[in-house]
Amino acid sequence: QKEVEQDPGPLSVPEGAIVSLNCTYSNSAFQYFMWYRQYSRKGPELLMYTYSSGNKEDGRFTAQVDKSSKYISLFIRDSQPSDSATYLCAMIKGGATNKLIFGTGTLLAVQP
Amino acid sequence: GAVVSQHPSWVICKSGTSVKIECRSLDFQATTMFWYRQFPKQSLMLMATSNEGSKATYEQGVEKDKFLINHASLTLSTLTVTSAHPEDSSFYICSAGEEPGGEQYFGPGTRLTVT
Repeated sequence: QKEVEQDPGPLSVPEGAIVSLNCTYSNSAFQYFMWYRQYSRKGPELLMYTYSSGNKEDGRFTAQVDKSSKYISLFIRDSQPSDSATYLCAMIKGGATNKLIFGTGTLLAVQP
Repeated sequence: GAVVSQHPSWVICKSGTSVKIECRSLDFQATTMFWYRQFPKQSLMLMATSNEGSKATYEQGVEKDKFLINHASLTLSTLTVTSAHPEDSSFYICSAGEEPGGEQYFGPGTRLTVT
């Protein structure tokens, strides 16, 4: 079993839709949770960074963490064609390390 | 701020040759740099962690004699793929962090094609 599971998609939605992206994990040692966006043939860029259960909002993006269920989500409101990319969840275990464990990524296409 | 660059962005080499990829932190000092590889439609897989002035720590299954990593300064790490083979063709991405446990900043990636 992989430490981090993510549905690879692809996920296709119409412009303006609300998008829900999810990851589950198996190791309760994970303490920090991130969502990255990666455009084709580019490096990942950090979208959201959270370290506690609950919601964190930034513009059209909301990250949700449920440590009791080992489940994290990223919601995108009013999705735009420019949001079309691969979204990767990533996690770090506690302690003096920043070794990221990535999910497989979900390919999102927002249709105009 | 927090910009990481990679050079080259794309390289083609012949089987059996070696190729070097550079990763630079442009506006901060990176105590730790990470090297990942990513196959098409797959996630990033960590290859190794390098700390300035010390030997890199390789992940299980990564050949340290094939993928040579040097972190000579706080702003530069290099990955050399030695005796490249077509199966080494991949997207190689580096990231850099200022401190352990802190945020990582990713480079734009280098696409390696071995013919």
